[in-house]
Amino acid sequence: EVQLVESGGGLVQPGRSLKLSCLASGFTFSNYGMNWIRQAPGKGLEWVASISSSSSYIYYADTVKGRFTISRDNAKNTLYLQMTSLRSEDTALYYCARQGALDYWGQGVMVTVSS
Amino acid sequence: DIQMTQSPSLLSASVGDRVTLSCKASQNIYKYLNWYQQKLGEAPKLLIYYTNSLQTGIPSRFSGSGSGTDFTLTISSLQPEDVATYYCYQYNSGPTFGSGTKLEIK
Repeated sequence: EVQLVESGGGLVQPGRSLKLSCLASGFTFSNYGMNWIRQAPGKGLEWVASISSSSSYIYYADTVKGRFTISRDNAKNTLYLQMTSLRSEDTALYYCARQGALDYWGQGVMVTVSS
Repeated sequence: DIQMTQSPSLLSASVGDRVTLSCKASQNIYKYLNWYQQKLGEAPKLLIYYTNSLQTGIPSRFSGSGSGTDFTLTISSLQPEDVATYYCYQYNSGPTFGSGTKLEIK
C-alpha cells in the first residue's frame, strides 16, 4: 500500500525557517518524481515544487522561488521541503504527492506563520 | 502562467442527476489535465488522469473529456458520497490547479 507521511510542521515566526519531510513507503521511491502542494485555510490547492526521481530536474512556483528548496534522499525514502524567509501567506496545509499525475497524496502537515 | 478556470464555483444537484463540471485553460494544454476530488477534512484524491483515464478504484460514474483548452468532468448519476470539492489540474507547463467546484446535494 502506498503511504506518504508528512512531518515537521508547526508554528513559526515570520522570517524564520522550517523543514518539512515526507516519508514514503509501499513503492520504489527512487523511481518516482515527487511534489509539494499546499492549501491555505479555506482556500484551493497550489502546486509548490517538483523534483524528478534522481533530483536532476527541480521546479518551483514563482511564489516560493528563491525561498523554498525541494530535495530528496532516495536511500531514506524521504522527500524534503526546506522553507526559509517564511511569510504569513505561506500559512497552509502542505501535502506531498507522487509523480506528475499526483496519484497519491499524504494527509498533509500544517504550517502556521505568525508572530 | 497557464490559468485554469472552473465553473460553476458551486453546484447543487439531486441524487441521481447527471452532473457536468467545466474547466477551461488559458492556453492549449493538449490532454495534460487531471481531476481531483477533495472531501471535507481529507486529502485530494485522483479521479481522472490525462483527461479521460479513470484512476484505479474510482467508480465508473465518473468520466472526463476534452482537449486543448476545454475540459469536462461528468458524474453520470450523482450519489450522496460525491459531495466534495472538485479540482482540475494541468501539468503541461508550470503546473496549476483550478479554483474548484463545490458540489452539494439539493
